[in-house]
Amino acid sequence: DAGVIQSPRHEVTEMGQEVTLRCKPISGHDYLFWYRQTMMRGLELLIYFNNNVPIDDSGMPEDRFSAKMPNASFSTLKIQPSEPRDSAVYFCASLGTGRQETQYFGPGTRLLVL
Amino acid sequence: QKEVEQDPGPLSVPEGAIVSLNCTYSNSAFQYFMWYRQYSRKGPELLMYTYSSGNKEDGRFTAQVDKSSKYISLFIRDSQPSDSATYLCAMTYLSGGSNYKLTFGKGTLLTVNP
Repeated sequence: DAGVIQSPRHEVTEMGQEVTLRCKPISGHDYLFWYRQTMMRGLELLIYFNNNVPIDDSGMPEDRFSAKMPNASFSTLKIQPSEPRDSAVYFCASLGTGRQETQYFGPGTRLLVL
Repeated sequence: QKEVEQDPGPLSVPEGAIVSLNCTYSNSAFQYFMWYRQYSRKGPELLMYTYSSGNKEDGRFTAQVDKSSKYISLFIRDSQPSDSATYLCAMTYLSGGSNYKLTFGKGTLLTVNP
């Protein structure tokens, strides 16, 4: 199994630009999570999906952030417009039902907004 | 008060030392406790999990939960340079719609020197 796949691995963009982060969960997993990690705030849950449906988006910082999961094997996190304070590492994780403790994380996307 | 507090370190020990990593939490509803290990520029990976109070041992690693004190610990015996990583505690509720939503500590950076 290839594990959780994220792309791009690194993204450098200018303030105001749209950024799209992509995630492919582990096949068969029906939960998908988006996290953001910074030195100041640690690892924070932004949103999670169950069977492609958003369940909890209370961690999404503001309307500039949006996430979609059009099918079981693909999800996107979009930031529009991006700001320097969005600079962070964004992780996607997936989970199979019945194993609530074992979220499998992807390698992350390192985002720098100039 | 943050829900989960974890000393960020850094913690530097010689090879073979016993390492103690700790987290405190404020929400008594947490029932599931986890330790994730994160190598530099990688995603977190589950190391151990425990349910409610007590100890759990896995090789050189022991996880301990004291719910009365709202305090969890991870002990590493005979530490190795390969244990050098950031260790994050995480916890969640047992039942209800929030049981897939993990709350993480900020992580403790550990370096084991050969």
